[in-house]
Amino acid sequence: AQSVTQLGSHVSVSEGALVLLRCNYSSSVPPYLFWYVQYPNQGLQLLLKYTSAATLVKGINGFEAEFKKSETSFHLTKPSAHMSDAAEYFCAVSDLSSGGSYIPTFGRGTSLIVHP
Amino acid sequence: DGGITQSPKYLFRKEGQNVTLSCEQNLNHDAMYWYRQDPGQGLRLIYYSQIVNDFQKGDIAEGYSVSREKKESFPLTVTSAQKNPTAFYLCASSTYTGSEVLTFGAGSRLTVL
Repeated sequence: AQSVTQLGSHVSVSEGALVLLRCNYSSSVPPYLFWYVQYPNQGLQLLLKYTSAATLVKGINGFEAEFKKSETSFHLTKPSAHMSDAAEYFCAVSDLSSGGSYIPTFGRGTSLIVHP
Repeated sequence: DGGITQSPKYLFRKEGQNVTLSCEQNLNHDAMYWYRQDPGQGLRLIYYSQIVNDFQKGDIAEGYSVSREKKESFPLTVTSAQKNPTAFYLCASSTYTGSEVLTFGAGSRLTVL
């Protein structure tokens, strides 16, 4: 079964600073990779998706993620944090389950805190 | 606008009672999912369905039941057998199973008194 590890349950940055949220997965075969964002008491929204077309994926709100096969990583970055970026971020991976279907697996989430 | 509607948003239940959470989508998606969210544990898959009248257990199906009688509807029943049901429940859908982006509802928060 696929596993997703997000390093750090909380990440704190100052407004304007670089944001780096880490995600590692366990599959030996490149799966489908996603980053979602969740604001309090809401559902999740897609930030970006890795489609195998390019290793650097650009998403909404200035976020991007780089797929590194050798490191089985898909870290999320943003050059300059904004107060509105404060939220919970989830990395997700889809690969073939034993039943032959792609099933999404989520990491435990990283709470991004942005200080003025 | 197309989307997923979950209801109720907040629900309180006494121990020993079954409750049903509603999930309706008008996106014409084939696959639907139920996830449970607890602080620090991320999203854990309860059940998923790829087609009408068929569904599969996820990682934490014990104490839950679902049905998929219509393409647009995937209700979740939290039974009295679920030992710790207080949680935030999220319904999602996609065009295919897992390889496509999930669209999420706004969630239902269940509290057992």
